[in-house]
Amino acid sequence: GQQLNQSPQSMFIQEGEDVSMNCTSSSIFNTWLWYKQEPGEGPVLLIALYKAGELTSNGRLTAQFGITRKDSFLNISASIPSDVGIYFCAGVTGNQFYFGTGTSLTVIP
Amino acid sequence: EAQVTQNPRYLITVTGKKLTVTCSQNMNHEYMSWYRQDPGLGLRQIYYSMNVEVTDKGDVPEGYKVSRKEKRNFPLILESPSPNQTSLYFCATTGSTDTQYFGPGTRLTVL
Repeated sequence: GQQLNQSPQSMFIQEGEDVSMNCTSSSIFNTWLWYKQEPGEGPVLLIALYKAGELTSNGRLTAQFGITRKDSFLNISASIPSDVGIYFCAGVTGNQFYFGTGTSLTVIP
Repeated sequence: EAQVTQNPRYLITVTGKKLTVTCSQNMNHEYMSWYRQDPGLGLRQIYYSMNVEVTDKGDVPEGYKVSRKEKRNFPLILESPSPNQTSLYFCATTGSTDTQYFGPGTRLTVL
């Protein structure tokens, strides 16, 4: 299957700091998605990107679809304790979804 | 309220004993899929279905079966479970813009 390399694997940050994580692949995707998963729950969609170069915001979250269509990044500004969770990127090609291995975010109050 | 429901939420079974995990959605979506989530591996797609009676293999289909006899339901069947199928399973349904809604998950342990 297609591999999505997501980094960093984990982050420990102070409340108020900005966060940046990214996803790269050797394959081209038509859509990039970013999800957040909290303990005991399924992933929840945060941002969807449909076009190369697209930059989309959702509150304090900003994500970009890389120009090469092989990468994407997610930024979280001014982190708060409820940002804690695991963030996943996903690439969509054809009818299949491929997920990154996740970035675990811990926010220290 | 848009919902994806899975049952059971937790299941402990023994090797070789057939089991079914049900999934139901109320969003009238055509696309449904099953994933397994394992530590360090993220979510991997097992099977997906584009519509009733149309199913396709995902990344890791070995040892699993699915059926799609009606739009709202997409059960996952393990005919002869083995310990390497111990995992957290998620059902998901997808709308026209690749917007995916996940169920709450089923934690399966195969002894």
